[in-house]
Amino acid sequence: DADVTQTPRNRITKTGKRIMLECSQTKGHDRMYWYRQDPGLGLRLIYYSFDVKDINKGEISDGYSVSRQAQAKFSLSLESAIPNQTALYFCATSDPGPRAYNEQFFGPGTRLTVL
Amino acid sequence: DQQVKQNSPSLSVQEGRISILNCDYTNSMFDYFLWYKKYPAEGPTFLISISSIKDKNEDGRFTVFLNKSAKHLSLHIVPSQPGDSAVYFCAAAPLNNDMRFGAGTRLTVKP
Repeated sequence: DADVTQTPRNRITKTGKRIMLECSQTKGHDRMYWYRQDPGLGLRLIYYSFDVKDINKGEISDGYSVSRQAQAKFSLSLESAIPNQTALYFCATSDPGPRAYNEQFFGPGTRLTVL
Repeated sequence: DQQVKQNSPSLSVQEGRISILNCDYTNSMFDYFLWYKKYPAEGPTFLISISSIKDKNEDGRFTVFLNKSAKHLSLHIVPSQPGDSAVYFCAAAPLNNDMRFGAGTRLTVKP
């Protein structure tokens, strides 16, 4: 079973609709992240959470909101989707551990198309 | 403003030869550098990392070199194998803070 799962894997929606992307993890990690990938731009951080009561804006948070429902669940919402939010969205987790910085583990991605 | 740049969108090498992927950064506050590998329809997976206090880290066929004065790092894959064909992302982060990714380099290793 995958350690980081994302639902849905693909979604087509219309401008103005509210969309929620969900992420679940079984790795037991405290830290969770949402990224979007666009061609030529790599991955850009939208929001991140270091524990259930912690939410932080990333590089491109405008137009998005998140909810950390539990240690294992982190959802991303687009309140009113617009076409330039068409992208591949990734959820990731990490464990603070003993090192100063630890690698992140990514889900398989959600391809979102806003028409 | 991209703080992490991978200026080569693609690279093609022959099986058995060396692959060198390059990455430049602008933020001198970055403390940690990572390389991720991504296959189609999958999420990125961690490959190798290096702390800013080191200039080289090696893991099997993969070696990452860091030149802090030039704000440049590179990933060497020796010998390259067809299964290494993927998109490689360079990432950098200040201590305990969010990562910034480059745009990625698509590596093709030809048999």
